[in-house]
Amino acid sequence: QVQLVQSGAEVKKPGASVKVSCKASGYTFTSYGISWVRQAPGQGLEWMGWISAYNGNTNYAQKLQGRVTMTTDTSTSTAYMELRSLRSDDTAVYYCARDRGLPPYNWFDPWGQGTLVTVSS
Amino acid sequence: EIVMTQSPATLSVSPGERATLSCRASQSVSSNLAWYQQKPGQAPRLLIYGASTRATGIPARFSGSGSGTEFTLTISSLQSEDFAVYYCQQYNNWPTFGGGTKVEIK
Repeated sequence: QVQLVQSGAEVKKPGASVKVSCKASGYTFTSYGISWVRQAPGQGLEWMGWISAYNGNTNYAQKLQGRVTMTTDTSTSTAYMELRSLRSDDTAVYYCARDRGLPPYNWFDPWGQGTLVTVSS
Repeated sequence: EIVMTQSPATLSVSPGERATLSCRASQSVSSNLAWYQQKPGQAPRLLIYGASTRATGIPARFSGSGSGTEFTLTISSLQSEDFAVYYCQQYNNWPTFGGGTKVEIK
């Protein structure tokens, strides 16, 4: 079955960087894009950006431009999201999700299990 | 950015009753709308895409309707496992989500 498995929880200090991985299985990795969505504690869902696993094209949410980088490794069917210059308000659960529909405007199915990133001094 | 607004924020419903959730877009998104269910400590799960198409394995008691700027998710007869938070998401442009509706037991 289609599955996305994410890396484990992280604790970072303000100003540091974090890199979260998302390993895909059960489908042809390069046939779909991957989006990243985050959810602050007790809050709603925020789309962070998208990467095409086919050609590496990306698009990032404007508020994160300059701080986020999304990459893929097609040899291991893994997507990565790196967020730099971390602040306390970056504390959230970070999800990867497989894109569906006509790229780059997509809905998401399935989702990874989530990775909690805590930013604290 | 297309702003998605969900109402109500909380819906109290008894098991077996019908639940109707609303989602409004700040501009037309055609039928490019999805609905997700999220339970505590879990990732969101796709329910509906294309405003009205049920995702694989989603029970028939879930139905979606609407187009343009007004959308509805209906759960015809609430089961215990349906108490959760529901989000709408538009994909007519770069994706944006509504703030969610929590469906709780009355």
